[in-house]
Amino acid sequence: EAQVTQNPRYLITVTGKKLTVTCSQNMNHEYMSWYRQDPGLGLRQIYYSMNVEVTDKGDVPEGYKVSRKEKRNFPLILESPSPNQTSLYFCASSPQGANYGYTFGSGTRLTVV
Amino acid sequence: AQTVTQSQPEMSVQEAETVTLSCTYDTSENNYYLFWYKQPPSRQMILVIRQEAYKQQNATENRFSVNFQKAAKSFSLKISDSQLGDTAMYFCAFMKPTSHSGNTPLVFGKGTRLSVIA
Repeated sequence: EAQVTQNPRYLITVTGKKLTVTCSQNMNHEYMSWYRQDPGLGLRQIYYSMNVEVTDKGDVPEGYKVSRKEKRNFPLILESPSPNQTSLYFCASSPQGANYGYTFGSGTRLTVV
Repeated sequence: AQTVTQSQPEMSVQEAETVTLSCTYDTSENNYYLFWYKQPPSRQMILVIRQEAYKQQNATENRFSVNFQKAAKSFSLKISDSQLGDTAMYFCAFMKPTSHSGNTPLVFGKGTRLSVIA
């Protein structure tokens, strides 16, 4: 089944403790992206990647890192999480050059206390 | 930069009735794509319908249809014969045409929470 897989689905952590949210897609998509969803703000792009080793900032990149060492994987790294990063996170992918929107993962609910 | 506005934070509709969700957007692009996504309580983002700006004909997917008014930059979603399973958050989104270089993000509105009442 074609899908984007995110893990974990839920995560509670403490301020300053490094964490990684994994994202993997099995559709050979070039383009991958991370979004965060907050009440009243909709979804906002954090980082994106055009292909392996090609990443760049979206609209709200502060406090996040990403890497794209393999085409299928695009982890989101929070080096020192803070409470304002409590949010619902989505990974998404699409073929480059396609215009059908994205395939989204199931989301990761992160709480930083 | 593109912006997407959903002016109705919450709406409700009786089962089997019809409801229309509003969306306006701002862009200087002539060619682009518009989407409606549904997010039920499961949190999954589900594509409901897609419209290509260069097509005059409004998109339709079963009970879901859009009213696309390019000059007015309006893209409303009509849900006919509403069902309890339609209860969800609905997001309107805009996207420039993708290319082989450059970021082409989905730009989302803030969402409309729809409740279908039995």
